[in-house]
Amino acid sequence: NAGVTQTPKFRVLKTGQSMTLLCAQDMNHEYMYWYRQDPGMGLRLIHYSVGEGTTAKGEVPDGYNVSRLKKQNFLLGLESAAPSQTSVYFCASSYLGSTNYGYTFGSGTRLTVV
Amino acid sequence: SQQGEEDPQALSIQEGENATMNCSYKTSINNLQWYRQNSGRGLVHLILIRSNEREKHSGRLRVTLDTSKKSSSLLITASRAADTASYFCATPGNQAGTALIFGKGTTLSVSS
Repeated sequence: NAGVTQTPKFRVLKTGQSMTLLCAQDMNHEYMYWYRQDPGMGLRLIHYSVGEGTTAKGEVPDGYNVSRLKKQNFLLGLESAAPSQTSVYFCASSYLGSTNYGYTFGSGTRLTVV
Repeated sequence: SQQGEEDPQALSIQEGENATMNCSYKTSINNLQWYRQNSGRGLVHLILIRSNEREKHSGRLRVTLDTSKKSSSLLITASRAADTASYFCATPGNQAGTALIFGKGTTLSVSS
């Protein structure tokens, strides 16, 4: 039982390049989330999804796009990477919303934009 | 829009001692959650306490919730070196599908 798997684990991009971060969960969770973690800032919500085919913006969505074509996968895209997007990105999933359920997190993707 | 805020930011103790971390939040909640993050790893869910609960235990963890003061505490008893990690409180937000809003965390160092 893998839980939440994020790929890649590390990536270095040049400014202006694009990339997609993949999150996959095998727990049949409805809700999935993308957060970024920066020193001194805690975790900030980028986008989230409450079910297959749905996505919504979080606190810091600018510069990112997401897709949830399959229930088990949640993709985070950077269209034109900027140094300000250097961060550690975490994907999480939950059975339903956070009202009664905790989140399961992936191990993160460390992204550096130069 | 930060909801929870942990205190202290950093805590250093010796093995065997108890560690207490506090979390304050701003608006009414229906639950509060605590997570642990080891260096370079993802967050791990520790415990969820609902607004109608005052105290909850899980192994060496004890969580309290005081909704009148909008605060929670996490107590780790008989700390071990393996407890060295960052600890975050999280509460459901009012927007964004009630997605969890995380505090900035308390960094706990347990030395042997």
